Amino acid sequence: NAGVTQTPKFQVLKTGQSMTLQCAQDMNHEYMSWYRQDPGMGLRLIHYSVGAGITDQGEVPNGYNVSRSTTEDFPLRLLSAAPSQTSVYFCASSYSRYRAIMSEAFFGQGTRLTVV
Amino acid sequence: AQTVTQSQPEMSVQEAETVTLSCTYDTSENNYYLFWYKQPPSRQMILVIRQEAYKQQNATENRFSVNFQKAAKSFSLKISDSQLGDTAMYFCAFMKHESGTASKLTFGTGTRLQVTL
Repeated sequence: NAGVTQTPKFQVLKTGQSMTLQCAQDMNHEYMSWYRQDPGMGLRLIHYSVGAGITDQGEVPNGYNVSRSTTEDFPLRLLSAAPSQTSVYFCASSYSRYRAIMSEAFFGQGTRLTVV
Repeated sequence: AQTVTQSQPEMSVQEAETVTLSCTYDTSENNYYLFWYKQPPSRQMILVIRQEAYKQQNATENRFSVNFQKAAKSFSLKISDSQLGDTAMYFCAFMKHESGTASKLTFGTGTRLQVTL
């Protein structure tokens, strides 16, 4: 049981390049989310999904796309990287309809992205 | 919209002593969850403790306990018998208690805790 797996752990991009941050969970969680962590600002929600085929915007969605074709995977796409997207990105999953109580969020180990 | 405020950017405590981290929040919701997450230098986000707003009893997990004051919208974390391994950034987080919101946490800005010898 690996939990939430994010790849890569580190990435350097040039301005204007695109890339996809991968996130996979093996806990049969319905809900998945992407957050970015910036110094002095805590974690902010980028996009989230409450199930396969369903996504929605969070607090800071601009410049990012997501899709959820399977329960397990929730990739985050940067279409044209900008220096303002330099951050640490976390994927999280939570809740299963098979649990009696709402579960806490389980986080991946994060991706440190630098855009130069 | 909810907001979470952590007014202590940094704190320091000696090993074996007790320290309290503060968190206040603003919401119009009546049913919600509050969390404390720990982020050590490894960057991993680790759940420390959880509190359901409808429960009056304060949550406790070993050396970690909370003081939940719903009317005051306050949710402080007390760490007893501090250990060097408690050195980390601590985040307070809020989540509404309704279907579809388990993926939407609102975080505070964090408190960096240093445990010293």
